[in-house]
Amino acid sequence: QVQLQESGPGLVKPSETLSLTCTVSGGSISTYYWSWIRQPPGKGLEWIGYMSYSGSSNYNPSLKSRVTISVDTSKNQFSLKLSSVTAADTAVYYCARLRITATTSAFEYWGQGTLVTVSS
Amino acid sequence: EIVLTQSPGTLSLSPGERATLSCRASQSVSSSYLAWYQQKPGQAPRLLIYGSSSRATGIPDRFSGSGSGTDFTLTISRLEPEDFAVYYCQQYGSSPLFTFGPGTKVDIK
Repeated sequence: QVQLQESGPGLVKPSETLSLTCTVSGGSISTYYWSWIRQPPGKGLEWIGYMSYSGSSNYNPSLKSRVTISVDTSKNQFSLKLSSVTAADTAVYYCARLRITATTSAFEYWGQGTLVTVSS
Repeated sequence: EIVLTQSPGTLSLSPGERATLSCRASQSVSSSYLAWYQQKPGQAPRLLIYGSSSRATGIPDRFSGSGSGTDFTLTISRLEPEDFAVYYCQQYGSSPLFTFGPGTKVDIK
């Protein structure tokens, strides 16, 4: 069974860079697409971006200028960096395995999520 | 940008009743690329339906999805106690590539 686990600081200061890592177990990261999604407290879900093991990527235009997603196949991990954060970036951040084919697309497996608060 | 609207915002039902949740898109969405998720408090979303009508692995057959174009429906034939949760629809294909609806909360009447 594929499992994903987010890790990283729970508190980030305004204007700094948020950095999170997702460790994948029960399957190789060298296939599929790997994505980050966030959910502000009490609100809905926002897709941040994805990267494939081969390096193709796509980001939400609303965040594109501040986001970098990278994959480390040697560690079976992928990471999120979000720069110049503000209080509006406070959210639960989820990592997820994304399946995209010619006939379907869905976020199949999710991490448990990690709350990141932006505050001085 | 394709905007997804879900209705009702809250659905109050009793166990054993049928739940019908609606997801409407501002533009046509390929039925291949419409998915539904369930989220319980303090938990991550769980994939229920992909391709508008295919159940994900391990999802009971009381969950079914249908629809095409701009109108999609998630039906729970008989509500079990563990089905009371928030349900999100999600589309793929229009920039931003992935968007979610605001959710429908199914709570106990």
